[in-house]
Amino acid sequence: QQQVRQSPQSLTVWEGETAILNCSYEDSTFDYFPWYWQFPRESPALLIAIRPVSNKKEDGRFTIFFNKREKKLSLHITDSQPGDSATYFCAASGSSGSWQLIFGSGTQLTVMP
Amino acid sequence: GGIITQTPKFLIGQEGQKLTLKCQQNFNHDTMYWYRQDSGKGLRLIYYSITENDLQKGDLSEGYDASREKKSSFSLTVTSAQKNEMAVFLCASSISTANSDYTFGSGTRLLVI
Repeated sequence: QQQVRQSPQSLTVWEGETAILNCSYEDSTFDYFPWYWQFPRESPALLIAIRPVSNKKEDGRFTIFFNKREKKLSLHITDSQPGDSATYFCAASGSSGSWQLIFGSGTQLTVMP
Repeated sequence: GGIITQTPKFLIGQEGQKLTLKCQQNFNHDTMYWYRQDSGKGLRLIYYSITENDLQKGDLSEGYDASREKKSSFSLTVTSAQKNEMAVFLCASSISTANSDYTFGSGTRLLVI
């Protein structure tokens, strides 16, 4: 049973558009949600993260929207650039129980110029 | 800045062979992890270690052994390589169990023939 689910599996947008990547989770004790991005032939790197004390976290063109009631979050990338093309992983962990990060299966984003 | 070094970068093994992957970090991080990445399946936790000489099984530990003899190093052994197996093994570290921000190594790409 997947505890962290991501959709879509792949997404293509045009340069300048907003890309929306979705994530949902099962365990209501999860209290930390980082997003990692991974470029081809490189290792994942931390992009942005949110804790449920807030429902929005913004860092430049990247924004996480969080809905605790529905156990869903999304990553919005505004003014998408070809350099944003990567695989994006949603992850989750909890301060009690599963403190290790559990990763979703990823969304492969392609930004067309 | 610190770095996580994984060796070897590429590993070709034969069916039934015992294979060892190594990971070294100079962040002085307490906690280290081994993840397996298969195409379309995200990252799955094999083993983790909270501190030197500690070992904890992840969801994918069957068929693997691990060793954390020093704080800075964490080794993973594939006990019996499976024919046609192909995956990337990622080592990561974090300051402690209370901090879920991981830094990943560049990975070991395994192919079993």
